[in-house]
Amino acid sequence: DIQMTQSPSTLSASVRDRVTITCRASQSISSWLAWYQQKPGKAPKLLIYTASSLESGVPSRFSGSGSGTEFTLTITSLQPDDFATYYCQQYDSYPWTFGQGTKVEIK
Amino acid sequence: QVQLEQSGAEVKKPGASVKLSCMASGNTFSTYYMHWVRQAPGQGFEWMGIISPTGDITTYAQKFQGRVTMTRDTSTSTVYMDLRSLRSEDTAVYFCARESDGKVHWGQGTLVTVSS
Repeated sequence: DIQMTQSPSTLSASVRDRVTITCRASQSISSWLAWYQQKPGKAPKLLIYTASSLESGVPSRFSGSGSGTEFTLTITSLQPDDFATYYCQQYDSYPWTFGQGTKVEIK
Repeated sequence: QVQLEQSGAEVKKPGASVKLSCMASGNTFSTYYMHWVRQAPGQGFEWMGIISPTGDITTYAQKFQGRVTMTRDTSTSTVYMDLRSLRSEDTAVYFCARESDGKVHWGQGTLVTVSS
Protein backbone atom coordinates (compact mmCIF):
# COMPACT_ATOMS: atom_id res chain seq x y z
CA ASP A 1 0.00 0.00 0.00
CA ILE A 2 1.11 3.56 -0.66
CA GLN A 3 1.69 5.47 2.55
CA MET A 4 0.80 9.15 2.66
CA THR A 5 2.62 11.26 5.24
CA GLN A 6 1.09 14.65 5.85
CA SER A 7 2.59 17.47 7.90
CA PRO A 8 2.11 19.27 10.14
CA SER A 9 -0.68 17.55 12.06
CA THR A 10 -1.75 20.86 13.59
CA LEU A 11 -1.11 24.37 12.41
CA SER A 12 -1.92 27.57 14.29
CA ALA A 13 -2.37 30.59 12.06
CA SER A 14 -4.03 33.96 11.86
CA VAL A 15 -6.39 35.43 9.32
CA ARG A 16 -4.47 36.65 6.27
CA ASP A 17 -1.54 34.31 6.96
CA ARG A 18 -0.04 32.19 4.20
CA VAL A 19 -0.33 28.49 5.06
CA THR A 20 1.47 25.51 3.56
CA ILE A 21 0.67 21.83 4.13
CA THR A 22 2.86 19.05 2.80
CA CYS A 23 2.04 15.51 1.76
CA ARG A 24 4.62 12.88 0.89
CA ALA A 25 3.88 9.57 -0.83
CA SER A 26 5.93 6.45 -0.16
CA GLN A 27 6.21 5.86 -3.91
CA SER A 28 5.46 7.83 -7.02
CA ILE A 29 1.80 8.59 -7.61
CA SER A 30 2.40 10.83 -10.62
CA SER A 31 -0.17 13.63 -10.14
CA TRP A 32 -2.99 11.50 -8.77
CA LEU A 33 -3.39 13.48 -5.61
CA ALA A 34 -6.36 15.32 -4.16
CA TRP A 35 -6.69 17.80 -1.32
CA TYR A 36 -9.85 18.07 0.80
CA GLN A 37 -11.19 20.39 3.43
CA GLN A 38 -13.40 18.89 6.11
CA LYS A 39 -15.45 20.51 8.82
CA PRO A 40 -17.02 18.59 11.73
CA GLY A 41 -19.96 16.42 10.72
CA LYS A 42 -19.52 17.14 7.01
CA ALA A 43 -18.31 15.16 4.02
CA PRO A 44 -14.89 16.11 2.68
CA LYS A 45 -14.95 18.99 0.24
CA LEU A 46 -12.71 18.64 -2.80
CA LEU A 47 -10.32 21.58 -3.19
CA ILE A 48 -7.62 20.35 -5.56
CA TYR A 49 -7.41 17.33 -7.89
CA THR A 50 -4.61 15.94 -10.03
CA ALA A 51 -2.25 17.72 -7.65
CA SER A 52 -2.75 21.24 -8.99
CA SER A 53 -6.20 21.58 -10.60
CA LEU A 54 -8.55 23.85 -8.69
CA GLU A 55 -12.03 22.44 -8.25
CA SER A 56 -14.81 24.61 -9.65
CA GLY A 57 -16.14 27.07 -7.09
CA VAL A 58 -13.10 26.85 -4.80
CA PRO A 59 -11.49 30.23 -4.07
CA SER A 60 -8.26 30.95 -5.90
CA ARG A 61 -6.39 31.44 -2.61
CA PHE A 62 -6.12 27.63 -2.58
CA SER A 63 -3.45 26.10 -4.77
CA GLY A 64 -1.68 22.78 -5.08
CA SER A 65 1.67 21.79 -6.48
CA GLY A 66 3.96 18.81 -6.82
CA SER A 67 4.22 15.49 -8.58
CA GLY A 68 5.74 12.11 -7.97
CA THR A 69 6.10 11.89 -4.20
CA GLU A 70 6.09 15.47 -2.87
CA PHE A 71 2.99 17.65 -2.80
CA THR A 72 1.97 20.94 -1.27
CA LEU A 73 -1.29 22.70 -0.53
CA THR A 74 -0.99 26.44 -0.09
CA ILE A 75 -3.60 28.84 1.21
CA THR A 76 -2.68 32.44 0.62
CA SER A 77 -4.36 34.95 2.93
CA LEU A 78 -6.18 32.56 5.28
CA GLN A 79 -9.83 33.45 5.80
CA PRO A 80 -12.10 32.71 8.80
CA ASP A 81 -13.96 30.05 6.82
CA ASP A 82 -10.69 28.19 6.18
CA PHE A 83 -10.22 26.98 9.75
CA ALA A 84 -10.83 23.28 9.28
CA THR A 85 -9.02 19.97 8.81
CA TYR A 86 -7.28 19.25 5.51
CA TYR A 87 -6.49 15.85 4.05
CA CYS A 88 -4.50 14.63 1.09
CA GLN A 89 -5.47 11.47 -0.79
CA GLN A 90 -3.72 9.41 -3.43
CA TYR A 91 -5.86 7.80 -6.09
CA ASP A 92 -3.09 6.47 -8.31
CA SER A 93 -3.88 2.94 -7.21
CA TYR A 94 -6.00 1.13 -4.69
CA PRO A 95 -6.22 0.89 -1.84
CA TRP A 96 -6.73 4.62 -1.86
CA THR A 97 -4.78 6.06 1.04
CA PHE A 98 -4.99 9.32 2.90
CA GLY A 99 -2.81 11.60 4.93
CA GLN A 100 -3.62 11.74 8.63
CA GLY A 101 -4.93 15.28 8.35
CA THR A 102 -3.83 18.78 9.26
CA LYS A 103 -5.99 20.79 11.61
CA VAL A 104 -5.72 24.50 10.92
CA GLU A 105 -6.51 26.37 14.12
CA ILE A 106 -6.87 30.00 15.00
CA LYS A 107 -3.75 31.39 16.64
CA GLN B 1 -22.45 16.29 -13.02
CA VAL B 2 -21.76 13.20 -10.96
CA GLN B 3 -24.00 12.78 -7.94
CA LEU B 4 -23.88 9.92 -5.46
CA GLU B 5 -26.87 9.70 -3.13
CA GLN B 6 -26.46 7.50 -0.08
CA SER B 7 -29.01 5.89 2.19
CA GLY B 8 -29.90 7.22 5.61
CA ALA B 9 -28.34 6.77 9.02
CA GLU B 10 -28.47 3.40 10.73
CA VAL B 11 -28.31 2.27 14.34
CA LYS B 12 -27.34 -1.35 14.89
CA LYS B 13 -26.56 -3.63 17.79
CA PRO B 14 -23.24 -5.46 18.05
CA GLY B 15 -23.25 -8.63 15.97
CA ALA B 16 -25.84 -7.33 13.52
CA SER B 17 -25.39 -6.52 9.83
CA VAL B 18 -25.96 -3.34 7.89
CA LYS B 19 -26.51 -2.83 4.17
CA LEU B 20 -25.85 0.62 2.79
CA SER B 21 -26.76 1.89 -0.64
CA CYS B 22 -25.34 4.49 -2.99
CA MET B 23 -27.25 5.58 -6.07
CA ALA B 24 -25.46 7.33 -8.91
CA SER B 25 -26.92 9.84 -11.28
CA GLY B 26 -26.07 9.94 -14.95
CA ASN B 27 -26.04 7.27 -17.61
CA THR B 28 -22.44 6.15 -17.18
CA PHE B 29 -22.97 4.15 -13.99
CA SER B 30 -21.89 0.89 -15.55
CA THR B 31 -18.52 2.21 -16.70
CA TYR B 32 -17.01 3.16 -13.36
CA TYR B 33 -15.46 1.37 -10.45
CA MET B 34 -17.00 2.30 -7.12
CA HIS B 35 -15.19 2.53 -3.83
CA TRP B 36 -16.30 2.53 -0.20
CA VAL B 37 -14.39 4.53 2.40
CA ARG B 38 -15.19 5.06 6.06
CA GLN B 39 -14.28 7.59 8.72
CA ALA B 40 -14.63 6.81 12.41
CA PRO B 41 -15.46 9.72 14.73
CA GLY B 42 -12.50 12.06 15.03
CA GLN B 43 -10.37 9.80 12.85
CA GLY B 44 -9.00 9.73 9.32
CA PHE B 45 -10.23 7.92 6.24
CA GLU B 46 -10.06 4.17 5.72
CA TRP B 47 -10.52 2.53 2.32
CA MET B 48 -12.73 -0.55 2.49
CA GLY B 49 -12.92 -1.89 -1.03
CA ILE B 50 -13.86 -1.54 -4.66
CA ILE B 51 -16.36 -3.08 -7.05
CA SER B 52 -15.94 -3.29 -10.82
CA PRO B 53 -18.35 -1.67 -13.31
CA THR B 54 -20.16 -4.93 -13.96
CA GLY B 55 -20.03 -6.07 -10.35
CA ASP B 56 -18.19 -9.30 -11.10
CA ILE B 57 -14.92 -8.22 -9.52
CA THR B 58 -14.50 -6.99 -5.99
CA THR B 59 -11.40 -6.27 -3.94
CA TYR B 60 -11.64 -5.71 -0.22
CA ALA B 61 -9.15 -4.33 2.26
CA GLN B 62 -7.67 -7.20 4.22
CA LYS B 63 -9.10 -5.78 7.43
CA PHE B 64 -12.65 -6.35 6.17
CA GLN B 65 -12.18 -9.65 4.34
CA GLY B 66 -14.93 -12.08 5.33
CA ARG B 67 -17.15 -9.36 6.80
CA VAL B 68 -17.93 -7.16 3.82
CA THR B 69 -19.70 -7.72 0.52
CA MET B 70 -20.09 -5.12 -2.20
CA THR B 71 -22.65 -5.54 -4.95
CA ARG B 72 -24.22 -3.40 -7.62
CA ASP B 73 -27.50 -3.26 -9.49
CA THR B 74 -27.01 -1.68 -12.88
CA SER B 75 -30.78 -1.48 -13.48
CA THR B 76 -31.08 1.05 -10.64
CA SER B 77 -27.55 2.52 -10.80
CA THR B 78 -27.04 1.52 -7.19
CA VAL B 79 -24.14 -0.04 -5.34
CA TYR B 80 -24.48 -1.73 -1.99
CA MET B 81 -22.11 -2.41 0.87
CA ASP B 82 -23.03 -5.11 3.36
CA LEU B 83 -21.01 -5.21 6.59
CA ARG B 84 -21.59 -8.10 9.00
CA SER B 85 -20.75 -8.93 12.60
CA LEU B 86 -20.77 -5.28 13.55
CA ARG B 87 -18.83 -4.11 16.58
CA SER B 88 -18.57 -0.75 18.29
CA GLU B 89 -15.40 0.05 16.34
CA ASP B 90 -17.48 0.01 13.13
CA THR B 91 -19.25 3.17 14.25
CA ALA B 92 -18.34 5.55 11.46
CA VAL B 93 -19.52 7.55 8.50
CA TYR B 94 -19.42 5.41 5.38
CA PHE B 95 -18.86 7.02 1.99
CA CYS B 96 -19.19 5.71 -1.53
CA ALA B 97 -16.92 7.34 -4.08
CA ARG B 98 -15.79 7.03 -7.64
CA GLU B 99 -13.13 8.54 -9.83
CA SER B 100 -14.09 10.20 -13.07
CA ASP B 101 -12.87 13.20 -15.04
CA GLY B 102 -9.61 13.03 -13.09
CA LYS B 103 -11.23 13.69 -9.73
CA VAL B 104 -12.88 11.73 -6.95
CA HIS B 105 -16.61 12.24 -6.42
CA TRP B 106 -18.08 11.41 -3.01
CA GLY B 107 -21.47 10.62 -1.64
CA GLN B 108 -22.73 12.61 1.32
CA GLY B 109 -21.96 9.78 3.72
CA THR B 110 -24.06 7.49 5.92
CA LEU B 111 -23.59 7.41 9.68
CA VAL B 112 -23.66 3.92 11.13
CA THR B 113 -23.82 3.72 14.91
CA VAL B 114 -23.16 0.38 16.59
CA SER B 115 -24.34 0.35 20.15
CA SER B 116 -26.00 -2.02 22.55
